[in-house]
Amino acid sequence: TQLLEQSPQFLSIQEGENLTVYCNSSSVFSSLQWYRQEPGEGPVLLVTVVTGGEVKKLKRLTFQFGDARKDSSLHITAAQTGDTGLYLCAGAQYGGGADGLTFGKGTHLIIQP
Amino acid sequence: EAGVVQSPRYKIIEKKQPVAFWCNPISGHNTLYWYLQNLGQGPELLIRYENEEAVDDSQLPKDRFSAERLKGVDSTLKIQPAELGDSAVYLCASSYTSWGSKSSYEQYFGPGTRLTVT
Repeated sequence: TQLLEQSPQFLSIQEGENLTVYCNSSSVFSSLQWYRQEPGEGPVLLVTVVTGGEVKKLKRLTFQFGDARKDSSLHITAAQTGDTGLYLCAGAQYGGGADGLTFGKGTHLIIQP
Repeated sequence: EAGVVQSPRYKIIEKKQPVAFWCNPISGHNTLYWYLQNLGQGPELLIRYENEEAVDDSQLPKDRFSAERLKGVDSTLKIQPAELGDSAVYLCASSYTSWGSKSSYEQYFGPGTRLTVT
């Protein structure tokens, strides 16, 4: 069983601060996806990283895939209240996700005004 | 383009009653997934369909859960009889899988059905 450990589980910070969320595993994944989920909604895909060491930027969000493809991080610069939500990392072992994704438990992020 | 559609959005039933959830995936997506998400947790895969074939149902509690995707498009997930522990959000997702290259593109999720068993 592949496990993805996310940390921290909960994070509450002030608007304008920076933060980093981590996603770690002992297993190698062919790709890793980050989702954001708001209450009452399904997860919404933010980014997919495929290559070890890959870095992708989405406005104020920076995603990095570890060199060994076992871990990933999400860094948010100058957090805004609209960034509040549940951030989930999910790994695919084969072919980008055809086998179904293994999800971490998520990081509950609250950005206070 | 319409996203993944699920209904109902909310369902409250008494234990031992049956319940069914419906999902219509994004047009053209050949792979469909059902996930279960408990409060405060990440989604867990229940079953995966490639067209109309269930190719991974290892995590589906088959004594009470069943699913079908008869025409390879929309799908139904059923629980009979429901238990208190089944209270959760049931998410449907879809993706396009290219079998020639054995790769799948990203999964897109519906809004989920929140089930409460009393």
